[in-house]
Amino acid sequence: SQQGEEDPQALSIQEGENATMNCSYKTSINNLQWYRQNSGRGLVHLILIRSNEREKHSGRLRVTLDTSKKSSSLLITASRAADTASYFCAEGAQKLVFGQGTRLTINP
Amino acid sequence: NAGVTQTPKFQVLKTGQSMTLQCAQDMNHNSMYWYRQDPGMGLRLIYYSASEGTTDKGEVPNGYNVSRLNKREFSLRLESAAPSQTSVYFCASSEALTRGPNTDTQYFGPGTRLTVL
Repeated sequence: SQQGEEDPQALSIQEGENATMNCSYKTSINNLQWYRQNSGRGLVHLILIRSNEREKHSGRLRVTLDTSKKSSSLLITASRAADTASYFCAEGAQKLVFGQGTRLTINP
Repeated sequence: NAGVTQTPKFQVLKTGQSMTLQCAQDMNHNSMYWYRQDPGMGLRLIYYSASEGTTDKGEVPNGYNVSRLNKREFSLRLESAAPSQTSVYFCASSEALTRGPNTDTQYFGPGTRLTVL
């Protein structure tokens, strides 16, 4: 079963705009991770946020976590064509459970 | 430092055939994982190995077996392939047993595209 559910399933924006993706989960978590997958490639870890953290930054990425709503969001600021990829949230310590992902397209 | 490597990259099997997918990591990680990804879907855990000498079932283990050959290598075997096993298979590894803020981060290989006819 899929624990995390991403929203939207697909997002298309213009280069330079900000992209926001959301993830909801069903049970209590210790941490939540976000991964990126370029077409035909393996997943690349972006950021991990622990249950006692509310916000975390890494470069142009900003992740928030609201444990009361069981949701997280990933914001990519000043998007670039190279950000075109699928983005997945994953919950768990070792046995990660992935959502279905958001397909992000950045149009030049 | 190659990270996580997988072989083969592509494979076509006939129903009933068997094969082994190979995975190796050179990051001295304790834990290794096998996932499958079906079109338009997230990854689902097949099996994982928390440490050398141990293996455990994930969400979708039926039809698969695994071997943690040593700390570096973790193989996935399909004994009798079925069309429902057509998928992209990813291997991953993580530090896991050690303490630290990044121990839960998993590092993925490039994947094996398997088609079962």
